[in-house]
Amino acid sequence: QSILTQPPSVSGAPGQRVTMSCTGSSSNIGAGYDVHWYQQLPGTAPKLLIYGDTNRPSGVPDRFSGSKSGTSASLAITGLQTEDEADYYCQSYDSSLIGSVFGGGTKLTVL
Amino acid sequence: QVRLVESGGGVVQPGGSLRLSCAASGFPFSRYGMHWVRQAPGGGLEWLAVIWYEGINKDYADSVKGRFTISRDNSRNIMYLQMNSLKVEDTALYYCARIRGDSGGYFDSWGQGTLVTVSS
Repeated sequence: QSILTQPPSVSGAPGQRVTMSCTGSSSNIGAGYDVHWYQQLPGTAPKLLIYGDTNRPSGVPDRFSGSKSGTSASLAITGLQTEDEADYYCQSYDSSLIGSVFGGGTKLTVL
Repeated sequence: QVRLVESGGGVVQPGGSLRLSCAASGFPFSRYGMHWVRQAPGGGLEWLAVIWYEGINKDYADSVKGRFTISRDNSRNIMYLQMNSLKVEDTALYYCARIRGDSGGYFDSWGQGTLVTVSS
């Protein structure tokens, strides 16, 4: 069981907006540690999507956005495209475990 | 161009040992913390270990503490993961990743992974 909780799956039609959550606790997200998001396309290594809660690396479309409040964070994708179909993971740091932690991942299906 | 290449994976019996390597290039290796992350077949990402800069400071996930040892050779730009007392549940694709920032930082570069299979 992952320290950060993500819904196993979300889905949406092309062009729609979807959001996915990442829920932590007072020792990680709630302690103010940054949340980062990764996209993993089938058969490939994870790719950084959002860092520092809300920042996009160069090359990541502005259709992807991140937010954080309290002990939770969210990833939103607007204008959904078929190539967005992938697994998405959130990551933060946990001061109790003294290490990085990942969510269990959310599988995005584009209908 | 940042490049991370893992090697050393393979098939090993339960209780056996394996050493993974991560060869880095394209950046000043000693200036970055380096991590190991694994992914079991069909599963999610699991953080395993971190080693900082000169290799003195290290941390491990509870699941591998006492069995795995992370190390680095900054003269050769290589990071290692010595895995002992392997269990069937250690079967996974093992990634090395570079972290930007401190402990709360993010993984901006990943290798392609090396597969470890623990089976009798």
